[in-house]
Amino acid sequence: EAQVTQNPRYLITVTGKKLTVTCSQNMNHEYMSWYRQDPGLGLRQIYYSMNVEVTDKGDVPEGYKVSRKEKRNFPLILESPSPNQTSLYFCASSPTGFNEKLFFGSGTQLSVL
Amino acid sequence: GQNIDQPTEMTATEGAIVQINCTYQTSGFNGLFWYQQHAGEAPTFLSYNVLDGLEEKGRFSSFLSRSKGYSYLLLKELQMKDSASYLCAVREGQGANNLFFGTGTRLTVIP
Repeated sequence: EAQVTQNPRYLITVTGKKLTVTCSQNMNHEYMSWYRQDPGLGLRQIYYSMNVEVTDKGDVPEGYKVSRKEKRNFPLILESPSPNQTSLYFCASSPTGFNEKLFFGSGTQLSVL
Repeated sequence: GQNIDQPTEMTATEGAIVQINCTYQTSGFNGLFWYQQHAGEAPTFLSYNVLDGLEEKGRFSSFLSRSKGYSYLLLKELQMKDSASYLCAVREGQGANNLFFGTGTRLTVIP
């Protein structure tokens, strides 16, 4: 089944403890992206990747890192999480990143205490 | 830049018709998407408009007027499972990674 897989689904952590949210897609998509979703603010893009080893900042990149060593994987790294990073996170992919619909992962609800 | 406006919340009755509006201001409009998102779940694609007019897909239709910077999503024969947020997203320009989301409209369907 074609899908975007995100893990974990829920995560509670403490300030400063490094964490990684994994994202994997099995559709051979070139384009992958991370969003965070907060009440009243909608989906905001954190980072995106047009292909392997090609990543770039979105609208809210501060405090986040990403890597794209393989086409299928696009992990989101929080080196030193802070409470303002408590949010619902979504990974998404599409074939090329141009005029196509996005396929979203099931989301990661992160709470930073 | 872009400015995408949707109503924050709407309520409608089961079996009825509801229209969710989206207005936008953007340079280089290149398409508009509607996504459905149930609470705590991933957004899923509903429709795409790039030319003016109505696109119908079962109970859901989407309309676009590029000259007015306006789109609406029409849901007919509402069902309880249609209670969700509906996200309008606008593509700007010809390049990649140019999709911008509105804040979404939370629709509640009541019996």
